[in-house]
Amino acid sequence: QKEVEQNSGPLSVPEGAIASLNCTYSDRGSQSFFWYRQYSGKSPELIMSIYSNGDKEDGRFTAQLNKASQYVSLLIRDSQPSDSATYLCAVLNAGKSTFGDGTTLTVKP
Amino acid sequence: DVKVTQSSRYLVKRTGEKVFLECVQDMDHENMFWYRQDPGLGLRLIYFSYDVKMKEKGDIPEGYSVSREKKERFSLILESASTNQTSMYLCASARDRVGSNQPQHFGDGTRLSIL
Repeated sequence: QKEVEQNSGPLSVPEGAIASLNCTYSDRGSQSFFWYRQYSGKSPELIMSIYSNGDKEDGRFTAQLNKASQYVSLLIRDSQPSDSATYLCAVLNAGKSTFGDGTTLTVKP
Repeated sequence: DVKVTQSSRYLVKRTGEKVFLECVQDMDHENMFWYRQDPGLGLRLIYFSYDVKMKEKGDIPEGYSVSREKKERFSLILESASTNQTSMYLCASARDRVGSNQPQHFGDGTRLSIL
């Protein structure tokens, strides 16, 4: 079992819809959780951080964390074609991050 | 904003060459990391460093070494380049590990081709 697992994807949604990206992790000692966006041929860019259970909203993005279920998700509201990218979930423990393999999202106009 | 600068965006080298990839960060971060990213394999950690002159092996250190002589600079060395080291190499930095919950910030990456 991988330490961090994400929806295998690819995920395709129409423009304006909600995109839901999911991530589970195995280490219960994990402290911090991040979502990165990576456009094709580019490096990962941090878009959300979440540290405690519940929801955290930033514009059209909402991160959700449930430590009991070892689950973190990213919701993108009003999806735009510019959101088309691979989204990486990262889980931090003792200064070292473990990354999921990513979910590729395509938003169709 | 955090700035992580990798010396080259694209690099072409020959089999057997010694290759140096340089990374510099400007935020006085203690932690620095080198990854490679290949299609279908995700991000794989090669080496990381929590302090000057310190280094620790990641998941795939074979064929690589690193150097951290100054806090802001972390170099990845391919001792004798081979074709299976053709990849995208990503450097990242983060605030220190003690009680830290800070994310990593990535450079633009170096796409390395070994011929």
